[in-house]
Amino acid sequence: GQNIDQPTEMTATEGAIVQINCTYQTSGFNGLFWYQQHAGEAPTFLSYNVLDGLEEKGRFSSFLSRSKGYSYLLLKELQMKDSASYLCAVRDVITGGFKTIFGAGTRLFVKA
Amino acid sequence: EAGVVQSPRYKIIEKKQPVAFWCNPISGHNTLYWYRQNLGQGPELLIRYENEEAVDDSQLPKDRFSAERLKGVDSTLKIQPAELGDSAVYLCASSLDRSRYEQYFGPGTRLTVT
Repeated sequence: GQNIDQPTEMTATEGAIVQINCTYQTSGFNGLFWYQQHAGEAPTFLSYNVLDGLEEKGRFSSFLSRSKGYSYLLLKELQMKDSASYLCAVRDVITGGFKTIFGAGTRLFVKA
Repeated sequence: EAGVVQSPRYKIIEKKQPVAFWCNPISGHNTLYWYRQNLGQGPELLIRYENEEAVDDSQLPKDRFSAERLKGVDSTLKIQPAELGDSAVYLCASSLDRSRYEQYFGPGTRLTVT
């Protein structure tokens, strides 16, 4: 089966760097996503990793290690608007296509 | 480009009543998803459509939930009858096709069953 673990909550200070970890177990791994979700809003796509290594996109970077079943999202120069939930999701190969499984999310609080 | 449109945004109903949610995906997107998201949890897939065909409905409680996507564009998700445990946010998402990894989510419908 599939299982995704990420911390429930994290707190960080404006201007700092924060790393949100995600571990997963899946039978047919085909990529890992990070989505951002502000309270009461829809998830929005941040990143996609399918190969090992670091993908950088502005203040956000995402890392993947397939052998360890591990990923992290790195947020630099934190801003108050970064306070949100960050969802780790894994795409699994199933009969007939793919299935995306979401973790419960990590609620990030950015304080002044 | 218009995003995924959902209506209504909020719905309050009494248990045992029926309810329906509507979704209009981004133009040209062949794959459509319905998710349910409970408070403090990630979205859980209910059903996925490739054009008008439901290709993954393994998580859809078929005794009370039904969905359709006529003509491969708009989609409707129905619950009849609703139960207290159905209270959640129902999210619709679309992607260009099943190989495209990025899903675009609509604002969701927040359902409260009393």
